[in-house]
Amino acid sequence: DTGVSQDPRHKITKRGQNVTFRCDPISEHNRLYWYRQTLGQGPEFLTYFQNEAQLEKSRLLSDRFSAERPKGSFSTLEIQRTEQGDSAMYLCASSPGQGANTEAFFGQGTRLTVV
Amino acid sequence: GDSVTQMEGPVTLSEEAFLTINCTYTATGYPSLFWYVQYPGEGLQLLLKATKADDKGSNKGFEATYRKETTSFHLEKGSVQVSDSAVYFCALSDRSNAGNMLTFGGGTRLMVKP
Repeated sequence: DTGVSQDPRHKITKRGQNVTFRCDPISEHNRLYWYRQTLGQGPEFLTYFQNEAQLEKSRLLSDRFSAERPKGSFSTLEIQRTEQGDSAMYLCASSPGQGANTEAFFGQGTRLTVV
Repeated sequence: GDSVTQMEGPVTLSEEAFLTINCTYTATGYPSLFWYVQYPGEGLQLLLKATKADDKGSNKGFEATYRKETTSFHLEKGSVQVSDSAVYFCALSDRSNAGNMLTFGGGTRLMVKP
């Protein structure tokens, strides 16, 4: 297992375009999280899945954002009608299960630049 | 809501110097506390954690003690190396939240010079 994988690593898009990112978690990890990190800041929680169910969404996740995890394995995060304020690093993390002691494993992130 | 505050960087030290990065938190419940590290070009990695008051987390020469009375989780290392240069994030996971998502501080960049 190579850890949490995110694709693409970098994405440059024009304002108003739609973009989609993919995250492949560690096998058999049933929890998957999306975070957003802007330059010089810590990651901020966006949403998480328990298997295929999306259980919580942050108020940061506007209507232009949608996330799916159709078979409880990989996940996609789509941003519609991108804005310059969407420029950030989008991080995916997975963990094996419940419990606050459970370690979350992070991918290297997808850096989005909206021009 | 929950929040984490850590000292702003960058912190610049000479090799073998003593390191302290301060972290304080606010939580509605009884959190678990973490330090994550981000090396250049890599993803966040868990460095250490502590799950209850007075617990000490340690790894790779780093340590931090969960201080409930001062709501702090300061990171320390007795002798830093150039390879410790990275960004360090303090984080908490509030056990009252079923999702166990992490709340992060703003990060502290550490630069160690030979």
